Amino acid sequence: GNSVTQMEGPVTLSEEAFLTINCTYTATGYPSLFWYVQYPGEGLQLLLKATKADDKGSNKGFEATYRKETTSFHLEKGSVQVSDSAVYFCALRNTNAGKSTFGDGTTLTVKP
Amino acid sequence: DGGITQSPKYLFRKEGQNVTLSCEQNLNHDAMYWYRQDPGQGLRLIYYSQIVNDFQKGDIAEGYSVSREKKESFPLTVTSAQKNPTAFYLCASTSGQGARDEQYFGPGTRLTVT
Repeated sequence: GNSVTQMEGPVTLSEEAFLTINCTYTATGYPSLFWYVQYPGEGLQLLLKATKADDKGSNKGFEATYRKETTSFHLEKGSVQVSDSAVYFCALRNTNAGKSTFGDGTTLTVKP
Repeated sequence: DGGITQSPKYLFRKEGQNVTLSCEQNLNHDAMYWYRQDPGQGLRLIYYSQIVNDFQKGDIAEGYSVSREKKESFPLTVTSAQKNPTAFYLCASTSGQGARDEQYFGPGTRLTVT
C-alpha cells in the first residue's frame, strides 16, 4: 500500500535559518506528491506539488524535488520567517486511488 | 469566491448525543472527504464520496455516518457510538480522481464532547 513518512518534529529555527523537512514515500505506480501547510486553528492549504519524477514544485520561497530514485520529496526554504510557523504535511496521491495518503505532519516554529 | 464552508467552527455536545457537522462546497467538485485530526497527530480519513449518492468508508468510519444527496454537500454525523469524538474535523474536496488533483480543505470544526 501507500505510505508517507515525515521527519518528526517539532522543529524550532531562528529567523533567516535554512529549513529542511524530510519526506519519504512508498507507493506503486506513479504518484503525485504534495506539501500542505496548516496554520493554527485552520484547515490545510496546498503549498506546492510535483506530478512526475525530477519535477520541482515551488511556492513562497519553498521548494521540493520529486526524487524517484530515493523515493523522497524533501521540503526546503533558504530563509524562514516567523510567519512560516505552522504544521507541514507531505502527501501523495495515486491515479484513480480516490484518496490521498498523508504523513503525520511536522510542526515548525520560527523564533525572531 | 469558491471554497469549502464548514459550520460551526466550535461545537459542544453532551456525551450520548448525536451531532451533525456541515460541509458545503461551491467548487463544483465531484469528490469530498472527511478527516479527523487529533492534537499532534496527522489526518485520519473517516469517509469519502467520489460522486453523488455514493460514499466509501475510510480508515476510521466506526461511529460515524455520512450522506451525499447533493454535489455541494457532505454532512458528517458523529453518533453516540463513537467512543472518543472530541477532535478537530476537516472536510475536503477534489475536482477529480486523478493523481494530480490536490485537495481543497475547509476551515475545520472543533468538536468537544463532555
